[in-house]
Amino acid sequence: EDKVVQSPLSLVVHEGDTVTLNCSYEVTNFRSLLWYKQEKKAPTFLFMLTSSGIEKKSGRLSSILDKKELFSILNITATQTGDSAIYLCAVSLTQGGSEKLVFGKGTKLTVNP
Amino acid sequence: SAVISQKPSRDICQRGTSLTIQCQVDSQVTMMFWYRQQPGQSLTLIATANQGSEATYESGFVIDKFPISRPNLTFSTLTVSNMSPEDSSIYLCSVEMGGDEKLFFGSGTQLSVL
Repeated sequence: EDKVVQSPLSLVVHEGDTVTLNCSYEVTNFRSLLWYKQEKKAPTFLFMLTSSGIEKKSGRLSSILDKKELFSILNITATQTGDSAIYLCAVSLTQGGSEKLVFGKGTKLTVNP
Repeated sequence: SAVISQKPSRDICQRGTSLTIQCQVDSQVTMMFWYRQQPGQSLTLIATANQGSEATYESGFVIDKFPISRPNLTFSTLTVSNMSPEDSSIYLCSVEMGGDEKLFFGSGTQLSVL
């Protein structure tokens, strides 16, 4: 069974801290790994990773994929209260000739002032 | 990216009733996806809606419970039928844009069933 496991499930930090969110996966026919930020209901896209070892960066957020060890990390530096959200990891795979996204349960990040 | 409008934003429903959720996209898309996110759980794909053909349902989801319409390339509806408290979830429609696996999501519907 395809699965995506995120850790920790929740995290509380203070503004200015750096956090690392983890995502490990066991899937067949891997295509890519994606990170989303979910603040209320709608997840918003952050990164898509397809190649190992190549860091993707957007402002204070960065992410990297290790296809050998089957995991990805999402780093947030100098956290702000606006970073408080659920961060979702998803793996895109091919199943039965079509693409499918399998999501982890998410990491709930709370940034306190 | 796409602008995806979803309504209603939230609803509180009685057990045994049905609710239809609408999803409108600002551009034409081939496939639209419907997800459910139960409290504390991951997003789970309910079905894929292609225009002009029957929706494809994932294991554990059936057409009688979650009928889907896809009348054109910019619109879809998902009905949650004969609701029970276990159907209380966030329901999300999504589309794939740009030819890769990136999904863009609608604003979501928070459903509570009493």
